[in-house]
Amino acid sequence: GQNIDQPTEMTATEGAIVQINCTYQTSGFNGLFWYQQHAGEAPTFLSYNVLDGLEEKGRFSSFLSRSKGYSYLLLKELQMKDSASYLCAVRDSNYQLIWGAGTKLIIKP
Amino acid sequence: IAGITQAPTSQILAAGRRMTLRCTQDMRHNAMYWYRQDLGLGLRLIHYSNTAGTTGKGEVPDGYSVSRANTDDFPLTLASAVPSQTSVYFCASSVQGEGTGELFFGEGSRLTVL
Repeated sequence: GQNIDQPTEMTATEGAIVQINCTYQTSGFNGLFWYQQHAGEAPTFLSYNVLDGLEEKGRFSSFLSRSKGYSYLLLKELQMKDSASYLCAVRDSNYQLIWGAGTKLIIKP
Repeated sequence: IAGITQAPTSQILAAGRRMTLRCTQDMRHNAMYWYRQDLGLGLRLIHYSNTAGTTGKGEVPDGYSVSRANTDDFPLTLASAVPSQTSVYFCASSVQGEGTGELFFGEGSRLTVL
């Protein structure tokens, strides 16, 4: 079956760096997405990786290793507003999105 | 402001009643989707439409139906609601075949079936 694994919850300190991991087992691969979802709100797009390597976008970076079925989202200079859930999703060979359950990130002052 | 509008934002419904969740987008995206989100689970696809006039079943389609009469509207109907359909429902759209194909989500409809 298809599966996306990511930690349920993580805690980090304001100003620090945190890495959220995502491992996947899917039928084919056509890209990996990271979304941010604040409590009670809709998910919003953060990043997209289809080739191996690191994609940097401001304070957020996303890494992909297709051979390992692994990605991570790196958040630098954490701010209180980064408290949210982070969703990993993989597009499979049928171009359907398979979603992880999300990682709830708690930022402490 | 361009985007996706869902209605209602919240609804309490008696079991057995019929309910339609509305979704409208003004971005001219060809693809639209309905997801449900439950605590501890990833987003699960209910139905999708790759273009106006076509629809397809997702992972959890039972008890739900959709229609796509035009590009902008994609309503989701629960013919006879059951308590297990209590959830937060998100409508989304994307441009297939161009760019990343990222999804744009509506604000969600919180449905409680008693």
